[in-house]
Amino acid sequence: DIQMTQSPSSLSASVGDRVTITCRASQSIKTYLNWYQQKPGKAPKLLIYAASSLQSGVPSRFSGSGSGTDFTLTISSLQPEDFAAYYCQQSSSTPWTFGQGTKVEIK
Amino acid sequence: QLQLQESGSGLVKPSQTLSLTCAVSGGSISSGSYSWSWIRQPPGKGLEWIGYIYHSGSAYYNPSLKSRVTISVDRSKNQFSLNLTSVTAADTAVYYCARISNFWPKTFDYWGQGTLVTVSS
Repeated sequence: DIQMTQSPSSLSASVGDRVTITCRASQSIKTYLNWYQQKPGKAPKLLIYAASSLQSGVPSRFSGSGSGTDFTLTISSLQPEDFAAYYCQQSSSTPWTFGQGTKVEIK
Repeated sequence: QLQLQESGSGLVKPSQTLSLTCAVSGGSISSGSYSWSWIRQPPGKGLEWIGYIYHSGSAYYNPSLKSRVTISVDRSKNQFSLNLTSVTAADTAVYYCARISNFWPKTFDYWGQGTLVTVSS
């Protein structure tokens, strides 16, 4: 199985801050990497696919980059509605696996 | 707009079988462009992919659960189902159904709201 490791596990930030979350795969997954946002009590929502493509309807303050084993999700200016958990997920090979999540909290 | 809705028992006794159904509306489960998946999330923890099924009925499972899982599809009712046998407390989780594209990039683009299943006597 491909292991996905996110860092940090949690972070505190203020509205307007630039936030970066890192995801590392245990082997190369090219750009088969997706990012999801999950708010409490809700299902995950697709934000970024293929490492850097923005899902339709997702604000442009979200961006993704990386290839191979190292990936990042960046929120350029954190908004109140962005406080949530974020998960990376590899779609390179089954079993599809997720990172353990990064919780973004209000400072 | 595609919608997925999970239903089933919210409380299952240890060693028994967990059964859930996902009803799909606003789109056909028989589309060759998509497969249908189950994902779970234990309380306060991360996401675990359980398996998926093609419209044809071919299913693929996470090896960690393969011996206990069956996913089936009912095209006449536009729904698919999950059976998980011999459950323990470790199977307590919110269970989500989701759609996944069959072609690159493979993404879980539509999700159900999730249903909490508790394993307890």
